[in-house]
Amino acid sequence: GDSVTQMEGPVTLSEEAFLTINCTYTATGYPSLFWYVQYPGEGLQLLLKATKADDKGSNKGFEATYRKETTSFHLEKGSVQVSDSAVYFCALRGGGANSKLTFGKGITLSVRP
Amino acid sequence: ETGVTQTPRHLVMGMTNKKSLKCEQHLGHNAMYWYKQSAKKPLELMFVYSLEERVENNSVPSRFSPECPNSSHLFLHLHTLQPEDSALYLCASSQEGRRTGELFFGEGSRLTVL
Repeated sequence: GDSVTQMEGPVTLSEEAFLTINCTYTATGYPSLFWYVQYPGEGLQLLLKATKADDKGSNKGFEATYRKETTSFHLEKGSVQVSDSAVYFCALRGGGANSKLTFGKGITLSVRP
Repeated sequence: ETGVTQTPRHLVMGMTNKKSLKCEQHLGHNAMYWYKQSAKKPLELMFVYSLEERVENNSVPSRFSPECPNSSHLFLHLHTLQPEDSALYLCASSQEGRRTGELFFGEGSRLTVL
């Protein structure tokens, strides 16, 4: 079945540091890929998505590229801020029209001033 | 007005109480979901309703009882819960039939069972 593997956390960075959060997936067909973010005390929000190979999703300075050859969708940001402290979830939706969303375990990012 | 609204945001209940969580979506979607988020555990999909019919029930104990009276509203009825049921319960909605359709989440209901 479909699965998503995220790097182990938590991750602690200083403000303005470069961020990479790794995500790899296993799926049949051509899944859509997502990054969700959960700020403290809130629900999950869609951060960005990509629906086909080589697509790049971007939002709020974050980027992720759909790499079919390496089955990866790593999240990057060039300069993190304290306000980026949150839990980040990688997810995929399989190739069928009514397939469900499969989440990774999530990783906690803490950014120090 | 946010897309997916959950009430109450916080709930404390005893093991013998009966309570309900409510979710309302204003996005015109045709599918709704309940997820459970516990500390140190992955997100758990509990129930899925598509076009007001339950299409998925992931071996959830019968002390959790969902209800979807229409495409905009979803309830989770709770009775005789256990302390290990304490968690954040997240509601979500999506437009089914669209492969790229992402889920839109509410802010969650934080449940504490004493």
